[in-house]
Amino acid sequence: DTAVSQTPKYLVTQMGNDKSIKCEQNLGHDTMYWYKQDSKKFLKIMFSYNNKELIINETVPNRFSPKSPDKAHLNLHINSLELGDSAVYFCASSQGAGLNGYTFGSGTRLTVV
Amino acid sequence: AQKITQTQPGMFVQEKEAVTLDCTYDTSDPSYGLFWYKQPSSGEMIFLIYQGSYDQQNATEGRYSLNFQKARKSANLVISASQLGDSAMYFCAMIGAGTALIFGKGTTLSVSS
Repeated sequence: DTAVSQTPKYLVTQMGNDKSIKCEQNLGHDTMYWYKQDSKKFLKIMFSYNNKELIINETVPNRFSPKSPDKAHLNLHINSLELGDSAVYFCASSQGAGLNGYTFGSGTRLTVV
Repeated sequence: AQKITQTQPGMFVQEKEAVTLDCTYDTSDPSYGLFWYKQPSSGEMIFLIYQGSYDQQNATEGRYSLNFQKARKSANLVISASQLGDSAMYFCAMIGAGTALIFGKGTTLSVSS
């Protein structure tokens, strides 16, 4: 009965590869997000989708492409992985603008070697 | 622009003592929400407590309370009767109209016996 689930939990891959991280929420929320947590633990918003529409797109390389097939899913595809992409990626969801808070997934630790 | 500042990189406390983690924020929105999240070494983001900008009373959740001083733009987290399991990183976060949740840099809390 996991609320926000991400797969995989760990991902180790070589530079130049393309990889995807999947996220699903069963809370009935209409807004989903991707955050990146860097090696210094700083959390930064990358993307936000509301009912499958892109709402927030921060300054992120266009190698990162989110895809939302429906409001319960938000996947993150990364092309041509670089060493600097190594981080923990968190998916989150909220109802509406999230003024009552977000629910986070458990994170995906991506390591690019 | 909105901003969250946590000035304490690390805090140390003994079991059963109370500890205050500092957070100041900056926003021009009249309506906003303030949050604290806990991130233990296992990596997940755990919601602790929420304070709305129009709430008259300070929020409390069990051993957690939020000392909200609107005029000073501060939202400090107070943990009473610290436990070993409270050792973790703590993030202060804020959301305003039309923005995603933004985080401070975090404070690492270490509780010793």
